[in-house]
Amino acid sequence: GAVVSQHPSWVICKSGTSVKIECRSLDFQATTMFWYRQFPKQSLMLMATSNEGSKATYEQGVEKDKFLINHASLTLSTLTVTSAHPEDSSFYICSASIGRVRNEQFFGPGTRLTVL
Amino acid sequence: GNSVTQMEGPVTLSEEAFLTINCTYTATGYPSLFWYVQYPGEGLQLLLKATKADDKGSNKGFEATYRKETTSFHLEKGSVQVSDSAVYFCALGFGNEKLTFGTGTRLTIIP
Repeated sequence: GAVVSQHPSWVICKSGTSVKIECRSLDFQATTMFWYRQFPKQSLMLMATSNEGSKATYEQGVEKDKFLINHASLTLSTLTVTSAHPEDSSFYICSASIGRVRNEQFFGPGTRLTVL
Repeated sequence: GNSVTQMEGPVTLSEEAFLTINCTYTATGYPSLFWYVQYPGEGLQLLLKATKADDKGSNKGFEATYRKETTSFHLEKGSVQVSDSAVYFCALGFGNEKLTFGTGTRLTIIP
């Protein structure tokens, strides 16, 4: 149980285009979802926290107009990288939390974005 | 603020060697502590966790004990295998809130 999927697993796009990444909790309802970014050989950097039906909370330094997060349901959150540039190329990972009682996050497999 | 410091890698060991990856933390209060593992090209998988002092988390032969007095959560395994080669992340968290990760330690096991 507690499986989180991401789609697509990898994407290549041209500079200036927008890319949407989906994060789904397949067998549970996620009260909270998190979006992380990971640079090569580095740790995960939290970008934002999203709760279903409310606006995402962005970490300091993350541009909310560039990284649009929508948490439309308890099983789906999306990250849209708008007007992508080569410096946005990275590995994006989402995680989902079941609830306050169970303190655990379940991670998706990640999406590798390459912007040409 | 909260922070996690873990042993810098890379770490290279021979198969069946003993493994220790050090992890210490700084936090206000009493967080839950986690070890996550990331295999090449994949996302993170929870390896083990401990939610209070003196708890021992264990999984797949790996162990870590929550030491409040030394604010540590060192990862150990008695006999590593080639399949254990991965990047290991120590992390802390409170309730349903975000996790704070260490920088990761790349482990390579050679036959």
